[in-house]
Amino acid sequence: KAGVTQTPRYLIKTRGQQVTLSCSPISGHRSVSWYQQTPGQGLQFLFEYFSETQRNKGNFPGRFSGRQFSNSRSEMNVSTLELGDSALYLCASSPRDRGYSGNTIYFGEGSWLTVV
Amino acid sequence: QKEVEQNSGPLSVPEGAIASLNCTYSDRVSQSFFWYRQYSGKSPELIMSIYSNGDKEDGRFTAQLNKASQYVSLLIRDSQPSDSATYLCAVNARIQGAQKLVFGQGTRLTINP
Repeated sequence: KAGVTQTPRYLIKTRGQQVTLSCSPISGHRSVSWYQQTPGQGLQFLFEYFSETQRNKGNFPGRFSGRQFSNSRSEMNVSTLELGDSALYLCASSPRDRGYSGNTIYFGEGSWLTVV
Repeated sequence: QKEVEQNSGPLSVPEGAIASLNCTYSDRVSQSFFWYRQYSGKSPELIMSIYSNGDKEDGRFTAQLNKASQYVSLLIRDSQPSDSATYLCAVNARIQGAQKLVFGQGTRLTINP
């Protein structure tokens, strides 16, 4: 069974640009979460999608957005990039249904974003 | 107080010894607890999940949960150099009315040959 797939793996962007990251969850998983990881802040929750709806959102500015498609694939977008957005962006999928049951999340390999 | 707290380390343990990693959490109603291992430059991978008080063993790994004291720990027996990594504790918590999986800052573990 294929794992969580994220693309692109590495990218470099310039301040002010925008970026879109893609995530394909494990087959059969309907929940997709996004996390940002930096050395200083650790792993921080961005948002979670289930059945094309955003269910949870972390404390990030509106420049960070996402969406989920009918096939559960998800994208996140960061507009007007800032130097501080340089981070590892991790997508995680879970079989979690509408009732939260503490299902385990499984991470993709991440997208390394550098903003210069 | 942070929702999930871990000692950032580094924690240095000789090969063959027991490594003990600890985590405390603030949400008393948390029900699900996870340990992830993250090698440098890699993404986190799940090691253990635990939902009930007590111990759960899987090979060289033992997770311990004490809900009354709000702590969860991970023991690694017969530590190997390949166990050197950052270990992340994750707890499900209700924050601002929504269930979220919250991670600690991680404990960096080094196993010395």
